[in-house]
Amino acid sequence: DIKLTQSPSSVSASVGDSVTITCRASQDISNWLAWYQQKPEKAPKTLIFAVSNLQSGVPSRFSGSRSGTEFTLTISSLQPEDFATYYCQHYHSYPPTFGGGTKVEIK
Amino acid sequence: QVQLVQSGAAVKKPGSSVKVSCEASGGSFTNYAVSWVRQAPGQGLEWLGGIIPMFGTTNYAQKFQGRVTITTDASTTTVYMDLSSLRSDDTAVYYCARASAVAPPGRDYFDYWGQGTLLTVSS
Repeated sequence: DIKLTQSPSSVSASVGDSVTITCRASQDISNWLAWYQQKPEKAPKTLIFAVSNLQSGVPSRFSGSRSGTEFTLTISSLQPEDFATYYCQHYHSYPPTFGGGTKVEIK
Repeated sequence: QVQLVQSGAAVKKPGSSVKVSCEASGGSFTNYAVSWVRQAPGQGLEWLGGIIPMFGTTNYAQKFQGRVTITTDASTTTVYMDLSSLRSDDTAVYYCARASAVAPPGRDYFDYWGQGTLLTVSS
């Protein structure tokens, strides 16, 4: 199975800060990577697919990029509603797997 | 707007089985794969398997092969997930999630999610 390693596992930031989350794949997954946001007791919400494509309705302060097998999610100018846990997921091959999650907390 | 509505919470004893449902409304369903993803308390997300309702095509994670069965009732746009031989570490929230495009189960990202069903396995 392809392993996705997210870092950091948690980050403290203030409203208005920029935050970058990294997801490293154990092998090449091309551009088959998505990002989700999850708030406590809620289902995940899709943010980005195919590395850098924003899901409909997602604010433009969210962006994604790729360098080889390393993927990043950047949230520019954090808003109060952005404090949540973020997961990456690959869909390159079976089984699809998720990263361990990154919790963005209020400083 | 697609909505996925799941059945309610369940409490089961070790060794028993559970069947969780996921009913779709408001959009295309039958030719988009629906997967099941679970989340143990305080843990991350794990894919169990999925089905394309129109064809009944299924794929399962090897870890759950033989213990999970995903079926569909196309006439009611409902997908079911059966998990057998339950253990305490099956305690988790189980989500159904729809693929964003026509693709084999598990070969796409998920654009719609159900609200989740808490399964508690305890003697």
